[in-house]
Amino acid sequence: EVQLVESGGGLVQPGGSLRLSCAASGFTFSTYEINWVRQAPGKGLEWVSYIDSSGNSIYYADSVKGRFTISRDNAKKSLYLQMNSLRAEDTAVYYCARTSMSLLRGYFDYWGQGTLVTVSS
Amino acid sequence: EIVMTQSPATLSVSPGERATLSCRASQTISSTLAWYQQKSGQAPRLLIYGASTRATGIPARFSGSGSGTEFTLTISTLQSEDVAVYYCQQYNDWPPLTFGGGTKVEIK
Repeated sequence: EVQLVESGGGLVQPGGSLRLSCAASGFTFSTYEINWVRQAPGKGLEWVSYIDSSGNSIYYADSVKGRFTISRDNAKKSLYLQMNSLRAEDTAVYYCARTSMSLLRGYFDYWGQGTLVTVSS
Repeated sequence: EIVMTQSPATLSVSPGERATLSCRASQTISSTLAWYQQKSGQAPRLLIYGASTRATGIPARFSGSGSGTEFTLTISTLQSEDVAVYYCQQYNDWPPLTFGGGTKVEIK
């Protein structure tokens, strides 16, 4: 069974940092592209970042570029999101989501349950 | 950036009736569109990809159609467990990957 389990969320002050993790199981992690997607309270879904299977190709949403860093450790079957210079508008549930391995990539076939990040003083 | 617009924002449908949800792209995206269902307090779940292909385990009452800029998700006979917010997402031209604002489906 494919599982993605996020951790590392919590309360942080504006300007602070947080590191999220996503532990994968039930599939060959090293062959899949993975993303972070977030959802502010009561709002819709927003794609945050993408990393390919090797970690060599990385993309970010403009809203987080220069502040967030995505990375992965295929040996540990884990994905990470280092979040710096956090702002109130970064408050959201953060999901890791697997990109489907299909001819046309870009949609998400499995999602974790999410971890809540709250940025507040 | 491709902007995805969903309508209506809220849809009230009687049990057993048909629900029709719309999604429009700001520019043509061929058939590179996915639909997700998100129930209250849960993560999104993939329903449809390639505009019309049901994901594994998705009931046949869910169907997707459209191409170019206009897309539709149809729930043929609404059941109580279908109460959720539904999102469309394009993957034709990215980054960024973009979602619509969602349609909330409720029971009338």
